[in-house]
Amino acid sequence: GAGVSQSPSNKVTEKGKDVELRCDPISGHTALYWYRQSLGQGLEFLIYFQGNSAPDKSGLPSDRFSAERTGGSVSTLTIQRTQQEDSAVYLCASSLALGGGTEAFFGQGTRLTVV
Amino acid sequence: QKEVEQDPGPLSVPEGAIVSLNCTYSNSAFQYFMWYRQYSRKGPELLMYTYSSGNKEDGRFTAQVDKSSKYISLFIRDSQPSDSATYLCAMRGDDYKLSFGAGTTVTVRA
Repeated sequence: GAGVSQSPSNKVTEKGKDVELRCDPISGHTALYWYRQSLGQGLEFLIYFQGNSAPDKSGLPSDRFSAERTGGSVSTLTIQRTQQEDSAVYLCASSLALGGGTEAFFGQGTRLTVV
Repeated sequence: QKEVEQDPGPLSVPEGAIVSLNCTYSNSAFQYFMWYRQYSRKGPELLMYTYSSGNKEDGRFTAQVDKSSKYISLFIRDSQPSDSATYLCAMRGDDYKLSFGAGTTVTVRA
């Protein structure tokens, strides 16, 4: 596609429910990243993928968070048993490769509200 | 202390003025430096990308990196109301993880 696509754009969920957020990277981009943007907190790194592999999961806030990527393309970020502090904008980015002079391009984000 | 410090503003300037934004950082391993622009309820959009120290110019935008001082800047000349947005500095070393500043909100008054 022309850009990074995320769905849904908005999600309201009840506390305790599970949610799945989807990211479609730019075609041909092997690296994919998830960030979280909270009001007043800036962007916080969550996880990155090289192909289908996620070598560094240290940014995930808790074991309620998980992510996978299949076919070297679409990625899903899953939050189990959502809490109110999970409310934020979840941003996905992709780049042609890892390292070097590769630039990351962001999607529009999924705005998650836990009520 | 945060790894990347950025004055959140807000910054309000008249149309045509020069906008000056900056960030400081503490991690000497950072070598790739970026500026993103983010409009309300949109994702960050890459504006400028610089490797190591030096200046880079693109139209009305100039990015400067001083690694010896751990200081980066973005200048916007002849600012327009359409430049009103939040500007985020970002940087990384070779570990692929971008570290962001908190963002500076800029308003250009017509």
